[in-house]
Amino acid sequence: DQQVKQNSPSLSVQEGRISILNCDYTNSMFDYFLWYKKYPAEGPTFLISISSIKDKNEDGRFTVFLNKSAKHLSLHIVPSQPGDSAVYFCAASGNAGGTSYGKLTFGQGTILTVHP
Amino acid sequence: DSGVTQTPKHLITATGQRVTLRCSPRSGDLSVYWYQQSLDQGLQFLIQYYNGEERAKGNILERFSAQQFPDLHSELNLSSLELGDSALYFCASSAGGPSFFYTFGSGTRLTVV
Repeated sequence: DQQVKQNSPSLSVQEGRISILNCDYTNSMFDYFLWYKKYPAEGPTFLISISSIKDKNEDGRFTVFLNKSAKHLSLHIVPSQPGDSAVYFCAASGNAGGTSYGKLTFGQGTILTVHP
Repeated sequence: DSGVTQTPKHLITATGQRVTLRCSPRSGDLSVYWYQQSLDQGLQFLIQYYNGEERAKGNILERFSAQQFPDLHSELNLSSLELGDSALYFCASSAGGPSFFYTFGSGTRLTVV
């Protein structure tokens, strides 16, 4: 049961343009969402997060949007740079603290390639 | 270097064998998480420890076990290995109690032949 889905295995964009990575979830109990970035031969690194009480969170070139009614979140990267080429994972948790003990449910990942 | 150390980086072993994967968390972090990433799959949560105690369990097979030692390093033991156990195994750590802001290690790639 894939509760977090990234339906696009890959995305290719030109340098300077916008990259939009999408993520859908099915569990309405999820209330905290994160994006991780992963380079080859490295572990994932935290990128940006959003709580379900917000619909947008911005950090520099990265913005995450959350649409709770559609159970959909997206990561926008503007402008995209070749160094952004990596695998991007979205992740979700059912409890921002409390008893969830930090367990995350990850999507399958989207490979982003930014061409110079 | 993320500060989370996983050894070995690569492991090739035969079916039916037993292996131990090791993780040293970032200095000061009390929580350790283990995840498995199989081909074309996202990271699947296996188990979490906090300061030596098991805190949460995911879809971890009975053939797999883990523990966190007093010095906070953790080991994931995989036994009676099957071809389908071939995967990347990631360890992550976080400061204090429940936290989603993991620091991941670079993973151990296990190949079962």
